[in-house]
Amino acid sequence: SAVISQKPSRDICQRGTSLTIQCQVDSQVTMMFWYRQQPGQSLTLIATANQGSEATYESGFVIDKFPISRPNLTFSTLTVSNMSPEDSSIYLCSVEDQGAGENNEQFFGPGTRLTVL
Amino acid sequence: LAKTTQPISMDSYEGQEVNITCSHNNIATNDYITWYQQFPSQGPRFIIQGYKTKVTNEVASLFIPADRKSSTLSLPRVSLSDTAVYYCLVGTGANNLFFGTGTRLTVIP
Repeated sequence: SAVISQKPSRDICQRGTSLTIQCQVDSQVTMMFWYRQQPGQSLTLIATANQGSEATYESGFVIDKFPISRPNLTFSTLTVSNMSPEDSSIYLCSVEDQGAGENNEQFFGPGTRLTVL
Repeated sequence: LAKTTQPISMDSYEGQEVNITCSHNNIATNDYITWYQQFPSQGPRFIIQGYKTKVTNEVASLFIPADRKSSTLSLPRVSLSDTAVYYCLVGTGANNLFFGTGTRLTVIP
């Protein structure tokens, strides 16, 4: 099973600025994922990040707003650009790995709580 | 992608067995059913996964009928610490990424 850490754990930012969130995994993984979870809501997939290729974004999310880097098999960053209060959310990264089940499962980081003023 | 439907919320008293049912009428042949638990201010964590019939681990049981169009997560003798949101996901690999609304379970003393 994979262990994931995220930095920062939380931040308060001014509108119009950008924040880069880091995700570190303790093992090499092919696929990493970024989610957003707004207060009281479920998780929404932002994008899938594979090492060595451009991230694949889900409907409603674009690279200019959420640029993603994946420089190696253990690390990824998500940048929230030109922030507005509507971007206030928890941002989580996850990886897919073999766990206790027959099929792969996701392992999640602790999340980054972002508040935009 | 198979869409899942779960009750929005459930309440249960401590010590009771809780069953949370998830409907997934469009489940594909290769899809697995995976349940996650999420506590406040934490990322979701894996509870149990199954393909058919019954799966049991130290935390929960998962019942899947023959047609696989639904599944039931069973939590035996819940405690206050089981208060969380429970998500049912259906898919295979990269298709197992989409979370539904989840079920908010509140355990009452």
